[in-house]
Amino acid sequence: NAGVTQTPKFQVLKTGQSMTLQCAQDMNHEYMSWYRQDPGMGLRLIHYSVGAGITDQGEVPNGYNVSRSTTEDFPLRLLSAAPSQTSVYFCASSYSTGRGNSPLHFGNGTRLTVT
Amino acid sequence: DAKTTQPTSMDCAEGRAANLPCNHSTISGNEYVYWYRQIHSQGPQYIIHGLKNNETNEMASLIITEDRKSSTLILPHATLRDTAVYYCIVRPNSGYSTLTFGKGTMLLVSP
Repeated sequence: NAGVTQTPKFQVLKTGQSMTLQCAQDMNHEYMSWYRQDPGMGLRLIHYSVGAGITDQGEVPNGYNVSRSTTEDFPLRLLSAAPSQTSVYFCASSYSTGRGNSPLHFGNGTRLTVT
Repeated sequence: DAKTTQPTSMDCAEGRAANLPCNHSTISGNEYVYWYRQIHSQGPQYIIHGLKNNETNEMASLIITEDRKSSTLILPHATLRDTAVYYCIVRPNSGYSTLTFGKGTMLLVSP
């Protein structure tokens, strides 16, 4: 298993541009989520999904859209990038949403810079 | 989610045991204690988790106090590659539970 795969690893955008951060997992996990990590802020939850067709907002959802059309994929869309969205983005998944006894597995991140 | 309190930083000599404490005094009976670590520029790595009993795996041991208000992560023989930020997290065992990361403990393992 490849685990959680994120692409691209690095991206530079200009203000106002749009892009999609890709996340795929091959572990048949129900739950997938997106976090952003900024210096001194820890990891903050952006959006999450408990299964195909179901998404919900996390702590910092503004400026981001998500969809979950398949179990495997959970893309994160920036419709109009802003410098405040410069961050490292992590995708994570776990087997079972409803049970706390299910570790979350993370990808290695996408480093996004918006100029 | 219940909040956790961890020291900002800790030092450990290579080859020694690293004992990382965590306070979670408001933990509920159905919440798990999770530990993750993050090595610079990488994604968070799952280490171990537990509910009531002590747990051990190939990476570490988790000691949870009887009242569940605190726990300790033990790396039995720390190496330089264990230098990382360690996060202690509590997570409910019901509903659509997520992980809420705090600021963690920066563990520096020195030669």
